[in-house]
Amino acid sequence: GIQVEQSPPDLILQEGANSTLRCNFSDSVNNLQWFHQNPWGQLINLFYIPSGTKQNGRLSATTVATERYSLLYISSSQTTDSGVYFCAVTHYGGATNKLIFGTGTLLAVQP
Amino acid sequence: DTGVSQNPRHKITKRGQNVTFRCDPISEHNRLYWYRQTLGQGPEFLTYFQNEAQLEKSRLLSDRFSAERPKGSFSTLEIQRTEQGDSAMYLCASSSWGQGQETQYFGPGTRLLVL
Repeated sequence: GIQVEQSPPDLILQEGANSTLRCNFSDSVNNLQWFHQNPWGQLINLFYIPSGTKQNGRLSATTVATERYSLLYISSSQTTDSGVYFCAVTHYGGATNKLIFGTGTLLAVQP
Repeated sequence: DTGVSQNPRHKITKRGQNVTFRCDPISEHNRLYWYRQTLGQGPEFLTYFQNEAQLEKSRLLSDRFSAERPKGSFSTLEIQRTEQGDSAMYLCASSSWGQGQETQYFGPGTRLLVL
């Protein structure tokens, strides 16, 4: 099956710093979503981005589907950005659109 | 749009007991998914409904697990004869398909602890 790997696995930042999170996937995808999982376990949608670039406030994402990777940019990080960031994909040609999640990046933003 | 809701939020049970979780999707969404997440891992797919039809089940879904979506609205996930290995967060997501796009929205999850 399709493999989804994220890097780095852990990241510690000072408040105000910028960061880039990466998601690599091993096959063609229909769908790619970025999520932030907060300390209470809620998965919060950040982006639906199977290709192209999107921006939402301090966050932006770029997916290069032909090269099988996506990047999530966090600028001017805040302590509330702490948590686990997941990318998740659906496999192109799959029977259903079940999401296959990556390994996650644990982000800690220190004041 | 009140979002996806799940009940209960937490459940502690003894090994061998049966438990049932409920998911209420976003009202206009016809697709509903169940996922399971264990500590330190990403969520893993369990099963999928389109309206009331269960169209796919993961190999993770042993015969002790059963899911229903009787009227194409809310769904229930039942685990019979729970085992300690069933301890996990159970997540529900709903979506609708349109213009070649599908975004899944997740509920807050039900955290299960089997003693």
